[in-house]
Amino acid sequence: QKEVEQDPGPLSVPEGAIVSLNCTYSNSAFQYFMWYRQYSRKGPELLMYTYSSGNKEDGRFTAQVDKSSKYISLFIRDSQPSDSATYLCAISNTGTASKLTFGTGTRLQVTL
Amino acid sequence: EAQVTQNPRYLITVTGKKLTVTCSQNMNHEYMSWYRQDPGLGLRQIYYSMNVEVTDKGDVPEGYKVSRKEKRNFPLILESPSPNQTSLYFCASNRDRGSYNEQFFGPGTRLTVL
Repeated sequence: QKEVEQDPGPLSVPEGAIVSLNCTYSNSAFQYFMWYRQYSRKGPELLMYTYSSGNKEDGRFTAQVDKSSKYISLFIRDSQPSDSATYLCAISNTGTASKLTFGTGTRLQVTL
Repeated sequence: EAQVTQNPRYLITVTGKKLTVTCSQNMNHEYMSWYRQDPGLGLRQIYYSMNVEVTDKGDVPEGYKVSRKEKRNFPLILESPSPNQTSLYFCASNRDRGSYNEQFFGPGTRLTVL
């Protein structure tokens, strides 16, 4: 079993839709949960970061962590064509080391 | 501009011909890492470095070498490349800030080994 599972998509939605992206993980020691966004031919960039359980909101983006279910989500409201990218969840059990475990990424296409 | 740079961006080589991919960061970060990204497998860490002259293996270190002689540079060395090392490679760096370790990624190097 992979430590982090993520549906690869692709996911295609119309502009303005609400998008839900999800990951599950197996190791309950994980404490730090991140979402990276990767545009085509670019390196990943940090989009959202949460520690432990709960929600975090930043503009149109909401990250949600449910540690009891080992489930993390990223919601995008009012999706835009500029949101078209691959979204990778990343998880760590420490905030100090460079060790991140990434999901495989979900490719999102927002159409006009 | 704060950034991580990698060179070359694209490389086609043949089996067994030694190559080096360079990585440099201008943010004075302590940590640097190398990842490879493959379809269906995602990003996997190859090696990382916690500071000058301190390196450790990641999840897939076989066939790779690294060195960290200067804080800003972290080259990835393939002594004898093989076709299974064809991949997209990313260098990343981050500061040791205790509870927060945002990694900054370079633009990637697409390597093809024939």
